[in-house]
Amino acid sequence: QQPVQSPQAVILREGEDAVINCSSSKALYSVHWYRQKHGEAPVFLMILLKGGEQKGHEKISASFNEKKQQSSLYLTASQLSYSGTYFCGTPGSGNTPLVFGKGTRLSVIA
Amino acid sequence: KAGVTQTPRYLIKTRGQQVTLSCSPISGHRSVSWYQQTPGQGLQFLFEYFSETQRNKGNFPGRFSGRQFSNSRSEMNVSTLELGDSALYLCASSHDRVGGELFFGEGSRLTVL
Repeated sequence: QQPVQSPQAVILREGEDAVINCSSSKALYSVHWYRQKHGEAPVFLMILLKGGEQKGHEKISASFNEKKQQSSLYLTASQLSYSGTYFCGTPGSGNTPLVFGKGTRLSVIA
Repeated sequence: KAGVTQTPRYLIKTRGQQVTLSCSPISGHRSVSWYQQTPGQGLQFLFEYFSETQRNKGNFPGRFSGRQFSNSRSEMNVSTLELGDSALYLCASSHDRVGGELFFGEGSRLTVL
């Protein structure tokens, strides 16, 4: 089942922080985050594992809520290079590959 | 290390035609997944291949098919094209570790007229 992302779009000024949410109807045991710049391939940012362990980007962090049905991605002190569409992906049932949300478009302006 | 390569990058077809897209994964990766990306739906999973076998399939009609060769290169085919098939088709390869990172190609942008 496709996770739901919010907000759909956000505009920030350089240096501001942002939070992007990824919600599922079932408990998540891992969440993947990718960023896609316009005209480019999606690029891996990080994986959040069920124990809270994170692997990936240094300046980006993520967490689960209490029930582990929502993950939030935290972008601190945003830079112009952070602009792009952020996708969360959650494993499907069984061993199926990632199911992605519809994306959150982030625009960072000077 | 070369990344995931997709060809062609752009193509235009007319309704009723068929199209074949190619994907060369990163060397050593045996898993190849295909996704359809459209503005309204985001990334929709098409299918996944591992060691020449289709391991998973998304919710797409039978007009969408694929295969994987012994060198892990993969192709996907769409027959009897419809206007709604216009999209960016992305291929991703991985080491096939559970929960592992996907490496995406830049995609093949298909326009159906």
